[in-house]
Amino acid sequence: GDSVTQMEGPVTLSEEAFLTINCTYTATGYPSLFWYVQYPGEGLQLLLKATKADDKGSNKGFEATYRKETTSFHLEKGSVQVSDSAVYFCALSDLQGGSEKLVFGKGTKLTVNP
Amino acid sequence: GAGVSQTPSNKVTEKGKYVELRCDPISGHTALYWYRQSLGQGPEFLIYFQGTGAADDSGLPNDRFFAVRPEGSVSTLKIQRTERGDSAVYLCASSSPTGNYGYTFGSGTRLTVV
Repeated sequence: GDSVTQMEGPVTLSEEAFLTINCTYTATGYPSLFWYVQYPGEGLQLLLKATKADDKGSNKGFEATYRKETTSFHLEKGSVQVSDSAVYFCALSDLQGGSEKLVFGKGTKLTVNP
Repeated sequence: GAGVSQTPSNKVTEKGKYVELRCDPISGHTALYWYRQSLGQGPEFLIYFQGTGAADDSGLPNDRFFAVRPEGSVSTLKIQRTERGDSAVYLCASSSPTGNYGYTFGSGTRLTVV
């Protein structure tokens, strides 16, 4: 079945450092890809998405490009802030039978220190 | 309401007891999803409703788990004969009729079985 593998954390960075969180996927079809973020004490929020190969999703300074050839969707940000501290989840959806159910990775906890 | 509301936010129950978890989706959202998030893991799909019917219940782990959505709005996840392994955060999400992965997640119910 479909699956998502993302780099294990925790990841600790200093403010203004460059961030990469790796994500690779396995899917039988042509999935849409997502990054969700969970801030401390809050619910899951969609950060960005890409629905087809070579699409780039971006939001709040974060970017990820859908790479079909490497089955990857790595999350990047050029300069992290303390407020980016959260758990980040990579996910895919393969739209089967009209269901937009998501398959998530295990999550990567990011801590940004001032 | 403005967001997806889940009640209770926390539930502690004894092994073997029956529990009900409630989800109140965003008004007008016809699609509703339940996920389960165990400690240190990403959310795992349980069941998807389109309107009143369960369109995909392939994620329910066994027949102790059941969910209903009788009027196409509020949904209740029911767990019979709870086990310690059922301890997790149960997440609900809803999306608009146009889909396009416009999920909104609730804050979840943390279930602890002692």
